[in-house]
Amino acid sequence: GAGVSQSPRYKVAKRGQDVALRCDPISGHVSLFWYQQALGQGPEFLTYFQNEAQLDKSGLPSDRFFAERPEGSVSTLKIQRTQQEDSAVYLCASSLATSGSTDTQYFGPGTRLTVL
Amino acid sequence: GNSVTQMEGPVTLSEEAFLTINCTYTATGYPSLFWYVQYPGEGLQLLLKATKADDKGSNKGFEATYRKETTSFHLEKGSVQVSDSAVYFCAQWGGGGADGLTFGKGTHLIIQP
Repeated sequence: GAGVSQSPRYKVAKRGQDVALRCDPISGHVSLFWYQQALGQGPEFLTYFQNEAQLDKSGLPSDRFFAERPEGSVSTLKIQRTQQEDSAVYLCASSLATSGSTDTQYFGPGTRLTVL
Repeated sequence: GNSVTQMEGPVTLSEEAFLTINCTYTATGYPSLFWYVQYPGEGLQLLLKATKADDKGSNKGFEATYRKETTSFHLEKGSVQVSDSAVYFCAQWGGGGADGLTFGKGTHLIIQP
């Protein structure tokens, strides 16, 4: 079956521009996660949705970062007024369960954002 | 807060060598533990997991045992192949921190023929 998909795969933005990154989770998956992966580092958690509810946004680095999942399926991560330090790979993951740390998160290929 | 520490790479081995990649964690609760792998040009894939103390996860010849007493989840394989060359990430989930996975920095494994 189809896995998690993300678009665009690559995005180049000028400093100060707004960007929007899309994630299509596996059909039927209740939970959706966003991560940020800097070069040479492990992914870092940004935010978590259970269906359309954003239950945890403790990892968002600033108020320039905003995520939504209005219908409980597709999610968009928006970054306003991009800065060079926002350059990273943004990963989306989904899991079947509503909660519980025994479930498996399935990752998309990521969007590589470069801010010039 | 919760954290995961894994040995830094790159780790370079010859084919058929024995592999150990060390991983330790800190958590306020009792997390599940995972090893993810990222092959060149591909996304993160789950390699194996363990959800409670003394559980052993295994897949593709890799094994890791959840050791609560040493807060460790070391990855092992008895005989590595060139195709095992990848970046390996240890991670925890549900140990009382944020709702997402907490990852280590990753270990780049290079297997030479």
